[in-house]
Parts: sequence; structure tokens; C-alpha cells
Amino acid sequence: GAGVSQSPSNKVTEKGKDVELRCDPISGHTALYWYRQSLGQGLEFLIYFQGNSAPDKSGLPSDRFSAERTGGSVSTLTIQRTQQEDSAVYLCASSLEGQGIETQYFGPGTRLLVL
Amino acid sequence: AQSVTQLGSHVSVSEGALVLLRCNYSSSVPPYLFWYVQYPNQGLQLLLKYTSAATLVKGINGFEAEFKKSETSFHLTKPSAHMSDAAEYFCAVSGDNQGGKLIFGQGTELSVKP
Repeated sequence: GAGVSQSPSNKVTEKGKDVELRCDPISGHTALYWYRQSLGQGLEFLIYFQGNSAPDKSGLPSDRFSAERTGGSVSTLTIQRTQQEDSAVYLCASSLEGQGIETQYFGPGTRLLVL
Repeated sequence: AQSVTQLGSHVSVSEGALVLLRCNYSSSVPPYLFWYVQYPNQGLQLLLKYTSAATLVKGINGFEAEFKKSETSFHLTKPSAHMSDAAEYFCAVSGDNQGGKLIFGQGTELSVKP
């Protein structure tokens, strides 16, 4: 079946602009995660959605970052007033129920470059 | 709190040689441990995971890892490296009541020389 998809695959933007990154999880997966992969920080957890529960936003680096998940499926990560340090690969993953024992399936990522 | 330390950001082996990538973890709850691989310009793919069923875990592509609680380690091994194993490898930990979020190590880039 289809895996996790993300769009766009690449995004170049100017400092101060807003960007939206999209994630389509595997059908039937109720848990969705966003991670960021950067040279200086490695792979960092950003935010987690599970069903109708309030999202775990504990990994968001600043209030410029936000995410939503509509209809329990597609998710959008928004970065407002982008800064050069936001340049990174943003990875989305999904799992069946959000339990620690489960495998997370990752999308190919969105490579963001802030000029 | 949970954390993962991968010793060695770069490891180089010859084709046919043993691969050993080190991972140590810290966790206040019983851990679930994962090894993911990332090939150039691709997403992460699960190699194997420890879920307490067995301490020696076998994964894809001939990789295996052994959970050692006394050493808080989960090192990844493969008896004989292949050129196609060149990639970046990430160790990660999660736990019950953590929402499933993964805490990753810094990654180890594996190079395989002919």
C-alpha cells in the first residue's frame, strides 16, 4: 500500500516568509509525528498527534512553529517568519496507534532552505 | 527522561568485514529500542526493534542487535559488510506512556571500502 507522503519535496524561501509543509500518513494510522533533521541538531522530535487527543507540542522550538491535523489524516506544519536556522529536512512519520512499541513509518521528508 | 548516545559519528569498514555500530541508552521506563537506516536522499527505514520479547533481535539485510540491560546498550552488528550497507544509521528509544515519540541518537555514518 501507499506509504507516508510529504510535499513539497524541496522548498526554498526567503527569511521572514511563512511556509507550509504537508504530510499524508498511511491510511488507518491514528498517530502522526513530525521530526526535524539538521546538521547541528540531528533528528529532533517536534510534535505528535494521536486520534482526537490534544497534540504533544513539547518539541516545537519556538512559537513560530505550529501544526494541525485535519480530519485525523493530513497534517500541515507551518513555520512563520522563517529564519535561516530553520533550514533542515522535516520528516513526517505515522504509526498505527501511537504506542511506544510500534514501528513508525517515515516519509521522504521536505528539505527546507531559508535564504 | 530518555536519551541515546551513539559512539562514533563515522565508521569505516572494508567490504566483508564485521560491522559494529554502538548505541547506549538512558531511560526511566522500560525502553523500546530501534535501529533505523537512512540511505542518501531517502527517508528512514526500520532495520530492527527491541520490544522485550527477545534480547537478540534480527532485522533486515543481515543486521542484528543485542539488548544488554546491564550495559544499557543496543549495539548493531552485521558479520560481513556489503557496499550497499553504506548509509547513516540511527538508534532511537521510546517507552510506554511517552506517546510513542522517538528520541534519536546523533547517527553514525557507515562507509564501506572495496
